[in-house]
Amino acid sequence: GAGVSQSPSNKVTEKGKDVELRCDPISGHTALYWYRQSLGQGLEFLIYFQGNSAPDKSGLPSDRFSAERTGGSVSTLTIQRTQQEDSAVYLCASSLGDGGLYEQFFGPGTRLTVL
Amino acid sequence: DAKTTQPNSMESNEEEPVHLPCNHSTISGTDYIHWYRQLPSQGPEYVIHGLTSNVNNRMASLAIAEDRKSSTLILHRATLRDAAVYYCILTNSGYALNFGKGTSLLVTP
Repeated sequence: GAGVSQSPSNKVTEKGKDVELRCDPISGHTALYWYRQSLGQGLEFLIYFQGNSAPDKSGLPSDRFSAERTGGSVSTLTIQRTQQEDSAVYLCASSLGDGGLYEQFFGPGTRLTVL
Repeated sequence: DAKTTQPNSMESNEEEPVHLPCNHSTISGTDYIHWYRQLPSQGPEYVIHGLTSNVNNRMASLAIAEDRKSSTLILHRATLRDAAVYYCILTNSGYALNFGKGTSLLVTP
């Protein structure tokens, strides 16, 4: 079956612009995560959606970052007024249940470059 | 937040076994031990996980110390395609994965 997909694969934007990154999780997966990975660094947790529960936003680095998940499926990560330090690969993952207990499946990521 | 300690890098010859260590001395009784790996320019992929008993799957084996304060990921025959960063992660219900720096495995022919 299809894995986790993300779009766009690459995004170049100018400082101060808003960007939207999309994630299509595996069908039936109730948990969805966003992470980001800066060059040469490990993954940094951003936000976690589990079913109909309120999302865990504890990893969002500033109020310029927000995410939503519509209908328990597709998710969009929005970064407003982008800064150069936002440049990173943004990874989405989904899991069948609680991602702390179940295998997480990762998408290929969106490489964001802020000029 | 229980943390793990891994060597920054390891090197192995192709077709040799590889033992990747992980220390997690502050592990709690309900923490699972997950291993993921990340190949160059790809997202992470699940390798294996366990709680108390040793585990085997088609990719690797996981040996967990009796006191659970350490574990070892075993690749039985390393191939060039196993060159990746390997992450040892403690997980629990309701938490995201806390990736550290991991171990960069170099496999030489």
